[in-house]
Amino acid sequence: AQKITQTQPGMFVQEKEAVTLDCTYDTSDPSYGLFWYKQPSSGEMIFLIYQGSYDQQNATEGRYSLNFQKARKSANLVISASQLGDSAMYFCAMKVQGGKLIFGQGTELSVKP
Amino acid sequence: DSGVTQTPKHLITATGQRVTLRCSPRSGDLSVYWYQQSLDQGLQFLIQYYNGEERAKGNILERFSAQQFPDLHSELNLSSLELGDSALYFCASSANPGRNNEKLFFGSGTQLSVL
Repeated sequence: AQKITQTQPGMFVQEKEAVTLDCTYDTSDPSYGLFWYKQPSSGEMIFLIYQGSYDQQNATEGRYSLNFQKARKSANLVISASQLGDSAMYFCAMKVQGGKLIFGQGTELSVKP
Repeated sequence: DSGVTQTPKHLITATGQRVTLRCSPRSGDLSVYWYQQSLDQGLQFLIQYYNGEERAKGNILERFSAQQFPDLHSELNLSSLELGDSALYFCASSANPGRNNEKLFFGSGTQLSVL
């Protein structure tokens, strides 16, 4: 069965520090895409970063990077130099056949000043 | 702004009632997805349409139905509402759902409260 698991319901990080949000996935498809979305308290879903299953290098988008370990089926999000505005829910998602995304339960990140 | 428009933003209704949520996808996007977000269930995929045709079905209750119209906007109909249907309902869209690297663009959601 295809599944996304985020084991950290909540995380705290000090402003300007780096933080890693964990994500593991399960699929038997050889081709898949992994995504991270941010949901601030206002509710909208904001795309952060994408990693393809065949990508040789870890994806990076500004302060966001994805630590992709295919053999371990993990796709952890690393946020460098945390800012107060990074406080939000973060969702890991996997694209499955047909195009829909399946989501993990999310991690609530709180950045402390 | 994602380009996906959902109306209304908030909806308060009573048990047993019927409501319709509306979604206009980004210009050019043929595929529309509906998701339900609640505290206990998280983000659950409900249904997907592509160019007017149902493409995939998830955990959608029989009391719920959806359609995508020729102008590509979509409506999600929720009937015989129960307290447990209170949730944030998202619509998302994409142009080429078959491409792994194509992200979904989400609307701002409709917050449904059933009293």
